[in-house]
Amino acid sequence: GAVVSQHPSRVICKSGTSVKIECRSLDFQATTMFWYRQFPKKSLMLMATSNEGSKATYEQGVEKDKFLINHASLTLSTLTVTSAHPEDSSFYICSARDLRVPETQYFGPGTRLLVL
Amino acid sequence: KQEVTQIPAALSVPEGENLVLNCSFTDSAIYNLQWFRQDPGKGLTSLLLIQSSQREQTSGRLNASLDKSSGRSTLYIAASQPGDSATYLCAVRSMDSNYQLIWGAGTKLIIKP
Repeated sequence: GAVVSQHPSRVICKSGTSVKIECRSLDFQATTMFWYRQFPKKSLMLMATSNEGSKATYEQGVEKDKFLINHASLTLSTLTVTSAHPEDSSFYICSARDLRVPETQYFGPGTRLLVL
Repeated sequence: KQEVTQIPAALSVPEGENLVLNCSFTDSAIYNLQWFRQDPGKGLTSLLLIQSSQREQTSGRLNASLDKSSGRSTLYIAASQPGDSATYLCAVRSMDSNYQLIWGAGTKLIIKP
């Protein structure tokens, strides 16, 4: 089956630093990748949709200068949390849409970010 | 605007019982509905995907139904086991959302040994 990986799985950083999270589709090509944020006991919140080779589309209320998304290839998208603050601590999940099966999304295992 | 609601928010039952999780959505114009499982601190595992033209899907002890006209789906778990303990999320791919998934808040299920 289709596999999506995320790296790192957990990261702890100091306030003010930047953190990069990678999302890779391991055995399929993904023209579209999605970044979600999940707060404790809450549902997933779509942050942005990234398409390979073009700028990401951010959801209302998500700061694009704070959450930088790059989708440089058909198998890799990165989310960089710039100048992280404690309120950015959360669980970040990416998913990828298979180029061949557009109605399906495959999810990564998530990245737990803790900003001290 | 599509909204997805899951009831109950939490459920605790003894091992061996059959149980039903509920999901409702406000707009029946959907492409499909999907049930996911999420273990604590982990990502999502897709359990069942029901296309809008389908009434139900089965996988092992799991059965998901879809009544599009009433905006409801149920996930039936037979002979529950402690390993079924997890949060179960329902998501619809709505026609008004450019193929994006709209999520419910989930039902946290605890199966007591």
